[in-house]
Amino acid sequence: QVQLVQSGAEVKKPGSSVKVSCKASGGTFSSYAISWVRQAPGQGLEWMGGIIPIFGTANYAQKFQGRVTITADESTSTAYMELSSLRSEDTAVYYCARMAYCSGGSCYSGPIDYWGQGTLVTVSS
Amino acid sequence: SYVLTQPPSVSVAPGQTARITCGGNNIGSKSVHWYQQKPGQAPVLVVYDDSDRPSGIPERFSGSNSGNTATLTISRVEAGDEADYYCQVWDSSSDHPDVVFGGGTKLTVL
Repeated sequence: QVQLVQSGAEVKKPGSSVKVSCKASGGTFSSYAISWVRQAPGQGLEWMGGIIPIFGTANYAQKFQGRVTITADESTSTAYMELSSLRSEDTAVYYCARMAYCSGGSCYSGPIDYWGQGTLVTVSS
Repeated sequence: SYVLTQPPSVSVAPGQTARITCGGNNIGSKSVHWYQQKPGQAPVLVVYDDSDRPSGIPERFSGSNSGNTATLTISRVEAGDEADYYCQVWDSSSDHPDVVFGGGTKLTVL
């Protein structure tokens, strides 16, 4: 059974950065895309970007381009999401999530079959 | 960028059928996935590739997709189905492909 375990809650000041980790177990880490999805309080789901660990290449949603960095360490089966220049609107639960398969030339076209438990990031002065 | 439109809320009595729509330009040409999210929990996949069900998801959950509308149908609704539901697609039509979620629909069981 695949499990994605994320790091704990964070409280950050505006203008700072946060780095959230996501450790995978129970499956093949490297050949599936790992996405990061966030959810602001009372709001919907928002895709931030993802990475295919075996290739090491990340794709980012246009909204977050330049402010988010997604990396992966195959040796520890861990993915990371770093968000910089934090503002209050970045207060949200951040999820890592595994894309179920690659199809049609993309590893993001399939559904998300496994989710992490979520990490609450609070941005407050 | 590609936009998915869902009704904010749908209400249904127990035992009845709930239909949650997801509108998008020519969405029928894309694969649509649906998630259920209960308060304080991560989302759970309930339908993928328009109409397939993951193992463990009751047959009461079904999906369809044609033209500009995809639909999640929940038959014989139970109190435990009360949750937020999100549709999702992969939009490769622009020069910046994205995973796109609908805004979500809150299903209330009366």
